[in-house]
Amino acid sequence: DTGVSQNPRHKITKRGQNVTFRCDPISEHNRLYWYRQTLGQGPEFLTYFQNEAQLEKSRLLSDRFSAERPKGSFSTLEIQRTEQGDSAMYLCASSFVAGGPYNEQFFGPGTRLTVL
Amino acid sequence: AQSVTQLDSHVSVSEGTPVLLRCNYSSSYSPSLFWYVQHPNKGLQLLLKYTSAATLVKGINGFEAEFKKSETSFHLTKPSAHMSDAAEYFCVVSERDTGNQFYFGTGTSLTVIP
Repeated sequence: DTGVSQNPRHKITKRGQNVTFRCDPISEHNRLYWYRQTLGQGPEFLTYFQNEAQLEKSRLLSDRFSAERPKGSFSTLEIQRTEQGDSAMYLCASSFVAGGPYNEQFFGPGTRLTVL
Repeated sequence: AQSVTQLDSHVSVSEGTPVLLRCNYSSSYSPSLFWYVQHPNKGLQLLLKYTSAATLVKGINGFEAEFKKSETSFHLTKPSAHMSDAAEYFCVVSERDTGNQFYFGTGTSLTVIP
């Protein structure tokens, strides 16, 4: 396994358009996380999945955002009616959690979104 | 509530001199703490982690961090900086009771002067 992969790596879109990003986690990992990173800031949590169930969503995740993880494998993050403020790096991470505190997350390279 | 404060947004050191990147955290429970590094156009890479075992944690590339509960600190150090250490460094806190989501600091940009 080569780690977490994300596609596309870059996306340029016009305001008002919909975009969808894909994340493929490390295969045996049961947790998948989405983060957003803007310039000069640390990544901010958006949402996470335990297998196929979406367990938590941040207040940052407005109604225009939706995430899915069908069958507990890959995940998609869709942004509808994009706004310029959505321009950011979207990061995906995965981990294997079995009840203990140790939960190293493995990050993908990110998808950089630019909304014109 | 969990939070992380990275006390320096930029640190500049000469090659071969020690590195100190400071991090203070806030946590309601027993936290897990991490340092990640981000090189330009590269993904986040784990440097080291603290998960309630030894308080002095050794990581990759000669980095170390010491968990000090009384000071709520988890500072990152390296005895001798190398040019390849120039990058953005993030301190992260996580708690099992909050779904293990990560709370990142705002990052410290490390510059290494030849």
